[in-house]
Amino acid sequence: GAVVSQHPSWVICKSGTSVKIECRSLDFQATTMFWYRQFPKQSLMLMATSNEGSKATYEQGVEKDKFLINHASLTLSTLTVTSAHPEDSSFYICSLDDRSSGNTIYFGEGSWLTVV
Amino acid sequence: KNEVEQSPQNLTAQEGEFITINCSYSVGISALHWLQQHPGGGIVSLFMLSSGKKKHGRLIATINIQEKHSSLHITASHPRDSAVYICAVRWGNQFYFGTGTSLTVIP
Repeated sequence: GAVVSQHPSWVICKSGTSVKIECRSLDFQATTMFWYRQFPKQSLMLMATSNEGSKATYEQGVEKDKFLINHASLTLSTLTVTSAHPEDSSFYICSLDDRSSGNTIYFGEGSWLTVV
Repeated sequence: KNEVEQSPQNLTAQEGEFITINCSYSVGISALHWLQQHPGGGIVSLFMLSSGKKKHGRLIATINIQEKHSSLHITASHPRDSAVYICAVRWGNQFYFGTGTSLTVIP
């Protein structure tokens, strides 16, 4: 069964609005989750590392005020795309690694965001 | 930063063919993962390797730590194997991803 649940799978929003994407760890407590963005035909790009109970660590070039990450509990991390623009349209996916099982990676199902 | 390169970028095969996808990386790693991404976007982890070879059904993954190289093999390929295969290396606390190999298996 799924280890990581991500939703929504698809979302269309208007320019200027905000969209929240949730990533839940179903089977174990995840102190760290990763958020990635993927443009068509390109590889996964790490946006930020979400740490439970503390501020996220953002990769260079990722605007922390635009992509708000909240990791309020050991099983939930959220990514909010604020004031979305069409260029934010992309595939967003979260992942976590289960250190208790030898660092196996688990990914959410991903979220397709289209900003119109 | 760890540079991860995959080849080929695109691969079309006839059903039943033996397929090899290659991955090389620039800096020593703690683990290498082979991932499969289907057209809908979902990603599943196929293998995690730190040395040697692993086999799961028709899939075989090998890694050569000295040469910083890994291969993913698919025996008796099937159309349902059509997907993007991504190599990911763990270096420290971060993962670095290859650009993926898009595989299409034709019946």
